[in-house]
Amino acid sequence: AQKITQTQPGMFVQEKEAVTLDCTYDTSDQSYGLFWYKQPSSGEMIFLIYQGSYDEQNATEGRYSLNFQKARKSANLVISASQLGDSAMYFCAFSDYGGSQGNLIFGKGTKLSVKP
Amino acid sequence: DAGITQSPRHKVTETGTPVTLRCHQTENHRYMYWYRQDPGHGLRLIHYSYGVKDTDKGEVSDGYSVSRSKTEDFLLTLESATSSQTSVYFCAISEFKGNQPQHFGDGTRLSIL
Repeated sequence: AQKITQTQPGMFVQEKEAVTLDCTYDTSDQSYGLFWYKQPSSGEMIFLIYQGSYDEQNATEGRYSLNFQKARKSANLVISASQLGDSAMYFCAFSDYGGSQGNLIFGKGTKLSVKP
Repeated sequence: DAGITQSPRHKVTETGTPVTLRCHQTENHRYMYWYRQDPGHGLRLIHYSYGVKDTDKGEVSDGYSVSRSKTEDFLLTLESATSSQTSVYFCAISEFKGNQPQHFGDGTRLSIL
């Protein structure tokens, strides 16, 4: 069974600095996707970025990039130039394309706090 | 933003009562999902649907049932609510499976006393 691990329950970063949130996964599948979501204190789940297992380049979306290391089974989220509004919970999620309807398996999350 | 509406947004009820949560979408997406979120557990899948009248169980389906009679509506029912079902419930939708992100509603905070 797939498993996804976020080892950092909480992290602090100084405003304007970059931060990396770790995510590792365990799968024997060859076709899969990794997703990152942001959950601010208001509670909504916001999709940030996606990486497919066959994508040759790391995904980027504005200040978000995904450091995908397939051999190490890691998909770390990098946030550049942190802003106060980046303070939130961040969830990594895994989906196997050929499996049960593409369901997402979520990690337990990392709480990021940005200091002014 | 994806057109997903969850109702009610908040509910307090008593143990043993039936509860139905509604998810309504305006995106005409095929796939719909119900999750629960509890401290220390992230989000866990309860049930999902891959079309009208096509549903299946997720990781934590015991005590829950679902129905989807129309593309736009996905109902989650707690037949006899228990205190362990106190949680925040999220509905999500996706157009395709696997390699497309799921988009979430704003959640329903359910408290069972």
